[in-house]
Amino acid sequence: SAVISQKPSRDICQRGTSLTIQCQVDSQVTMMFWYRQQPGQSLTLIATANQGSEATYESGFVIDKFPISRPNLTFSTLTVSNMSPEDSSIYLCSVDRAGAGEQYFGPGTRLTVT
Amino acid sequence: GENVEQHPSTLSVQEGDSAVIKCTYSDSASNYFPWYKQELGKGPQLIIDIRSNVGEKKDQRIAVTLNKTAKHFSLHITETQPEDSAVYFCAAEARDDKIIFGKGTRLHILP
Repeated sequence: SAVISQKPSRDICQRGTSLTIQCQVDSQVTMMFWYRQQPGQSLTLIATANQGSEATYESGFVIDKFPISRPNLTFSTLTVSNMSPEDSSIYLCSVDRAGAGEQYFGPGTRLTVT
Repeated sequence: GENVEQHPSTLSVQEGDSAVIKCTYSDSASNYFPWYKQELGKGPQLIIDIRSNVGEKKDQRIAVTLNKTAKHFSLHITETQPEDSAVYFCAAEARDDKIIFGKGTRLHILP
């Protein structure tokens, strides 16, 4: 498995502002992922963030709204830009250490936009 | 692309009884099927997984079965305990190595 931490754990933000979420892993990993989980819903993949390449975004998610950085093999950030109440969700990062499909998740960041 | 259906959405069982959650998938090329448990306020936790080269896998009170022909897999929890109460997600690995999740099952263990 992997030990994954996220900051902040929760935040309340005003519409129109931006929030950057940090994801720190206890060991080097190639594959990192960012998910969104709306209240009471399943997980939706936002993007894949592999070190050394640009993030790959899923349909419905764009870089201008969710810019991602992956400066090294243990860290990544996701920014939620120009927020609206519809962005209120839990944002989760995950890693696949062995490249075998086993993903391990961080504790999530609970975002409320007012 | 891959689609994962999960049933039931809510399940209540008496403590000590067994719970079964069922999932189907659409892409016959999928060969990895993890199950996650998510407790309130926490991230999903990988609890068991199965690959297509086996039909069943067991870890203490939990087991997963896979029927590749029918494209369905199930999670079985025996001797349920209060700490088993959580949301459970099944998932399947798609052709592009991404994980596609089911909609989740909220499991309530009744005292």
